Amino acid sequence: GAGVSQSPSNKVTEKGKDVELRCDPISGHTALYWYRQSLGQGLEFLIYFQGNSAPDKSGLPSDRFSAERTGGSVSTLTIQRTQQEDSAVYLCASSLMAEKLFFGSGTQLSVL
Amino acid sequence: SQKIEQNSEALNIQEGKTATLTCNYTNYSPAYLQWYRQDPGRGPVFLLLIRENEKEKRKERLKVTFDTTLKQSLFHITASQPADSATYLCALRSNSGYALNFGKGTSLLVTP
Repeated sequence: GAGVSQSPSNKVTEKGKDVELRCDPISGHTALYWYRQSLGQGLEFLIYFQGNSAPDKSGLPSDRFSAERTGGSVSTLTIQRTQQEDSAVYLCASSLMAEKLFFGSGTQLSVL
Repeated sequence: SQKIEQNSEALNIQEGKTATLTCNYTNYSPAYLQWYRQDPGRGPVFLLLIRENEKEKRKERLKVTFDTTLKQSLFHITASQPADSATYLCALRSNSGYALNFGKGTSLLVTP
C-alpha cells in the first residue's frame, strides 16, 4: 500500500492480557516511530527505529512495553500484562530521513 | 525539561479570516520545527517544515515563521475555510535522541 498500515484498528482486551500491535511502514522508509495518544492528550513518544541502529527506547513507559522491527520493515509493539491506563490510541509513523513523518490511522486499544 | 506549548483553548474564527496559531518551546536547540494537522480519528498529517536558518516559509494558504531568539513559531492560515477545521500540532526533535516531540495541539474551528 501507499501509506502506513496499522492493525488491528481496534483492540479490546482484558486487564492482565498481552497484546501485539502491528505497523507496516511505507516501503523504503528507514525510520519508524511509535507514539501513544490518550483521549484529549498530545502524542507521547514511545520508541524510534532507524535502519539497523539500536532503537531509541527512551519513551517506553515501563518494562511491560517492548517493540521490535524485523528486517527493517514491519514493527510490532507488545504490551504485556495490560493495565487500564494503557488504554489509548497507538500510532505508528515512518519517514525517510527522520524528518517528515507519515502516520498510520492508529490502533485504538481498550483495556477493560 | 523540554517543553512545547501550544494554546490549549480552541480557536474559533470566521471563514475568510486569517487564523494564527502559536508554538512556544523551552530547552530545545532545534535545527528545524514541523507543523502537522490532525483530524478526529486519524493520524497527524505533515504540513510544513521550517529550518533554523529560515525566517518564514509558505505553502499555498499556509505560512510559518520561526524565531529561534523568541523560541517561537507562528502558523498562519489565510482565507480560512471550514475544511481547515482540525487540530494543529507543532513538533521538535529532542536534543538528546531521535524522538520527535509534539505539542498538545490547538483546535481550530472555522465557521461559515
